This record gives sequence, C-alpha cells and structure tokens, in this order.
Amino acid sequence: QKEVEQNSGPLSVPEGAIASLNCTYSDRVSQSFFWYRQYSGKSPELIMSIYSNGDKEDGRFTAQLNKASQYVSLLIRDSQPSDSATYLCAVNLNTGNQFYFGTGTSLTVIP
Amino acid sequence: DTAVSQTPKYLVTQMGNDKSIKCEQNLGHDTMYWYKQDSKKFLKIMFSYNNKELIINETVPNRFSPKSPDKAHLNLHINSLELGDSAVYFCATEPGAATNEKLFFGSGTQLSVL
Repeated sequence: QKEVEQNSGPLSVPEGAIASLNCTYSDRVSQSFFWYRQYSGKSPELIMSIYSNGDKEDGRFTAQLNKASQYVSLLIRDSQPSDSATYLCAVNLNTGNQFYFGTGTSLTVIP
Repeated sequence: DTAVSQTPKYLVTQMGNDKSIKCEQNLGHDTMYWYKQDSKKFLKIMFSYNNKELIINETVPNRFSPKSPDKAHLNLHINSLELGDSAVYFCATEPGAATNEKLFFGSGTQLSVL
C-alpha cells in the first residue's frame, strides 16, 4: 500500500471560518491528486482534483499542491455546517489503476 | 439509472460462511476496483481490474477472490469469513488506465460478520 497520510482529526471549525486539511504522500511518482468528501453512510464524492504545482480554486474550495514537498492541501472558505464530513485525500500513481487513499480527516463545522 | 451498482447493500453473516458481493457498471469504463473501508474510514485498495484482467492485488488474503466475467462486472467472493472482514466494501470504476480521472463509486456494501 502506497503511503498517503492525513491528520485524522477530528477538526472542528466555527461556521464561516476557513478549514485547512492536509495530506502528504510518500511515492514521488504520484502524478494526480484528489480530494473526496464522504458523508456518514455514503460513498465518497469528488470535490477537487489537481495535477500541477500551485493552487486550484473552485468556489469555496482551494486545492494546493507542492510536489517537491510531496504535500497537497484543501482549504474550505466560509465553512458551512453542510461541509461536516470526512475528507479523503487520494493520489494516483499515473501508471494506471492505482488510486491510493489517505486515512481521512473528520471535519465538523459548528453553527 | 445507477452508474455503479452494488448488491447487497447490507450483508450480515456468521463466521466461516462464504459470501459474494456483486458490482455492475453501465458507464463503459475499462477499470474497476474493490476497496475496503474500515471503521476508521481508511479506504484500502484491494483489487484493480482493467478489461477483465487483474492488475493489482494488494496483499489481500486468498480467501478473497475477485471475478470479472465481463467488463461491466466485478464481483467479490469471500470464503471462510472472519470477524476482521467486517467493513464497508466499495466498488469503483475509472474510465481507463492512466486517465487520471476521478473514481466513480458504488453505494457500498456493509458487511457484518458475527
């Protein structure tokens, strides 16, 4: 199992604050990076993908990738109670058929 | 029309039994996966198939045997079930090898071994 690590949390932030989620990976050949959100009892759903160094913004979500540091993060601005979920970081080795997930970070947004 | 469907959604069984979980996709994707999610939410890859051919077997006990009769189906058969097999099992698909696109997940099968 390729190593993908996340702080398990739980992470609690007040409504309207910025939630910061971090992920590190061990395999330098990793090429594609994803953030999935998983509500309790549901399957994971993709919220962001990032492939090159830098920032990628989509609405309230910003993914940041630093391949030199083997680090990818997700920022959620103006956090809402509906953002409360487990966030899973995933990496794809780009050699085909190899998606590996981190252990997930549980986020709670307090109204 | 569900894109990736798994059956059953819940499976409760006794230790030592043999059970199967079925996965079917209507997306025309080449690659299918089985993942196991434990109580701590860790999603661990078990198997990967590309066009009915096994690509990855991540040190899964040989009690677990995937079977892909065609590109649209990837079933998981588990022999001699153990307590530690209790988890949620997700089937997922990807359009093709090294496409770097997202995974499409089924709704999961919650397996409880008593």
